[in-house]
Amino acid sequence: EPEVTQTPSHQVTQMGQEVILRCVPISNHLYFYWYRQILGQKVEFLVSFYNNEISEKSEIFDDQFSVERPDGSNFTLKIRSTKLEDSAMYFCASSERGGLTQETQYFGPGTRLLVL
Amino acid sequence: AQKITQTQPGMFVQEKEAVTLDCTYDTSDPSYGLFWYKQPSSGEMIFLIYQGSYDQQNATEGRYSLNFQKARKSANLVISASQLGDSAMYFCAMKRGHWWGAQKLVFGQGTRLTINP
Repeated sequence: EPEVTQTPSHQVTQMGQEVILRCVPISNHLYFYWYRQILGQKVEFLVSFYNNEISEKSEIFDDQFSVERPDGSNFTLKIRSTKLEDSAMYFCASSERGGLTQETQYFGPGTRLLVL
Repeated sequence: AQKITQTQPGMFVQEKEAVTLDCTYDTSDPSYGLFWYKQPSSGEMIFLIYQGSYDQQNATEGRYSLNFQKARKSANLVISASQLGDSAMYFCAMKRGHWWGAQKLVFGQGTRLTINP
C-alpha cells in the first residue's frame, strides 16, 4: 500500500542552525501539508501546498519557514534559523485531491526535531 | 473558525469491552468532514474513519464506528471489542468542505486510551 515517507526520523540541531525536513508524498497525490506536534500537545497545521505554491499557512509559519517541491517526488520543509521552541514532531501529509470533504490526508511517520 | 474539543484526556478500558471517545466540534460551515486518527506510541498518525456532514448514516470501518449527532455537533468514536493494540492516542479532526483548495485539518487535544488485559 502506498505511503508517505519522511526523512530523517530524528534530527538534533543547535539553535540558529538551518534544517531541512524531507517528505515523499504518495505518488498520485497533488496536495501536500506540513503539521507539527509539540510534545504532549495537539497536532497543529503549518502549511498546505498545491500546484507549486502555498495554498494556506498558519501564523506559526513565519519567515523562518519555507516549503519547496524541488522535483516530482520530494516535498521539503526548511527552517532557516531554528529556535528552541521549534522542537516538535513534524508530520508531512498528502491527499489526492484537496477540497472534497471526504478527501483523506495520509500522514508520514514524522520527523522528531530537537533544537538544543 | 473551526474548533474541536475532546474532553477526555485519558480513558482506561478492559480488553474486549467497547469504548466511546468523545468529540464535539464547532463550525459555521454547512459542509465539513470529520476524521479520527490513531497515534500509537511510535508516533505515526493512522487514519481510522471519516464522516461527512451530509452523510445520512453513521460511518463504520471494521471495529470502528462513528456516532454522528449533527444537531449536538458531536462525532464520537466507538471501538467495539477493544484489543491491547488499541492502546494509543486518538485525535478527532475536522476539515472544511469546499471544492477548491487544500483544506487543512483542525485537531482536538486527543484522548489517550489504555486497554487493560
